[in-house]
Amino acid sequence: KNQVEQSPQSLIILEGKNCTLQCNYTVSPFSNLRWYKQDTGRGPVSLTIMTFSENTKSNGRYTATLDADTKQSSLHITASQLSDSASYICVVTSLILTGGGNKLTFGTGTQLKVEL
Amino acid sequence: EAGVAQSPRYKIIEKRQSVAFWCNPISGHATLYWYQQILGQGPKLLIQFQNNGVVDDSQLPKDRFSAERLKGVDSTLKIQPAKLEDSAVYLCASRKRTSLGETQYFGPGTRLLVL
Repeated sequence: KNQVEQSPQSLIILEGKNCTLQCNYTVSPFSNLRWYKQDTGRGPVSLTIMTFSENTKSNGRYTATLDADTKQSSLHITASQLSDSASYICVVTSLILTGGGNKLTFGTGTQLKVEL
Repeated sequence: EAGVAQSPRYKIIEKRQSVAFWCNPISGHATLYWYQQILGQGPKLLIQFQNNGVVDDSQLPKDRFSAERLKGVDSTLKIQPAKLEDSAVYLCASRKRTSLGETQYFGPGTRLLVL
């Protein structure tokens, strides 16, 4: 069964500090992995996308890593800001072998709060 | 470009009542998705449209949920009758194509509370 597990479930850090969020998946066959940021009351917004051959991708202060062998990904946030407070969702895309197409499996998200 | 639009933003109904949500995807996006996101969980796919055809509705509770995208643009999602456990945020997302690298763009969601 395709699953995406994220940890920690929630996290509180002080402004300016760094943090790392984890994503483990058992999705197969793997196609790509995305990290989304979801602000309260809004829909998710894509931060990064990585395919099998990529092991790191940056978007400003966000850096995602992917280890396709261990099926793990991390999202590192550098010099956190109050506006980073949000839910961060890991989404893995898998191929549908019969009939074609692809399927997205969502993690439950990590709720990050950045405080002064 | 304009994003995915959804309405209403909030809805409160009593159980056994009916409710409908509307979504206007980004112009030119052929693929449209409806997701249910229960508090503290990730989004769960309810239905995927490619133009006006249904691609995947395997997780749609068809005894009470229905969705349509008649002209391949706007879409409506209906719940009839609603249950308490339907309280959630209903997200609409669209995508230009279903190719693997294409990004899904999400609307702000409709927050439903069933009393």
